[in-house]
Amino acid sequence: EIVLTQSPGTLSLSPGERATLSCRASQYISDTYFAWYQQKPGQPPRLLLYATSRRATGIPDRFTGSGSGTDFTLTINGLEPEDFAVYFCQQYDTSRTFGQGTKVEVK
Amino acid sequence: QIQLVQSGAEVKKPGASARISCTASGYTFTSSGINWMRQAPGQRLEWMGWINPGNGDTEYSDKLQGRISITMDTSASTAYLDLRGLKSDDTSVYYCARSPGLGWFHPWGQGTLLTVSS
Repeated sequence: EIVLTQSPGTLSLSPGERATLSCRASQYISDTYFAWYQQKPGQPPRLLLYATSRRATGIPDRFTGSGSGTDFTLTINGLEPEDFAVYFCQQYDTSRTFGQGTKVEVK
Repeated sequence: QIQLVQSGAEVKKPGASARISCTASGYTFTSSGINWMRQAPGQRLEWMGWINPGNGDTEYSDKLQGRISITMDTSASTAYLDLRGLKSDDTSVYYCARSPGLGWFHPWGQGTLLTVSS
């Protein structure tokens, strides 16, 4: 099973700042098979990016994804109040697995 | 818009079985897979399995093989998750989600809380 490890566990930032979230895979993943989700309390996850860097419909361009191989990054440029949430990475190269999440909280 | 609506919360006793439904709207049901995930308190999301409504093919996680079945009623645009031999650690929020492409999930159902307790 491909294990995804996200860091940091919690990111404390102020609105307007840049958030950089990391996800490391235990083995190689094609960048075609990697996604990011946002989840707020009491809600289901929402797709942000797929194929590493392709934004889902309606996702603002302050969300960008990058990476390849075993290291992937989600960058949020200029945090808006609605961006404070938990973010998960997911791979669908071999079966499907998720990272444990990074919480972006207000500093 | 595309929407998945799940059945309501359930409480079951250990050893029992549970069925959760997921009704799709806003697209052709047979055109995209339906996946099931669960999220236990403090745990990461776990993919459980999926069904291809186009042909009925299913795939299940190795961990749950033998206890899980995913079925569908295309006339009702509904997929079902059956989980047997329930244990306390099956207590989770269960989600269905559409897989419109190679394996990402969008959108997700609202979630169904399944509590297993004696």
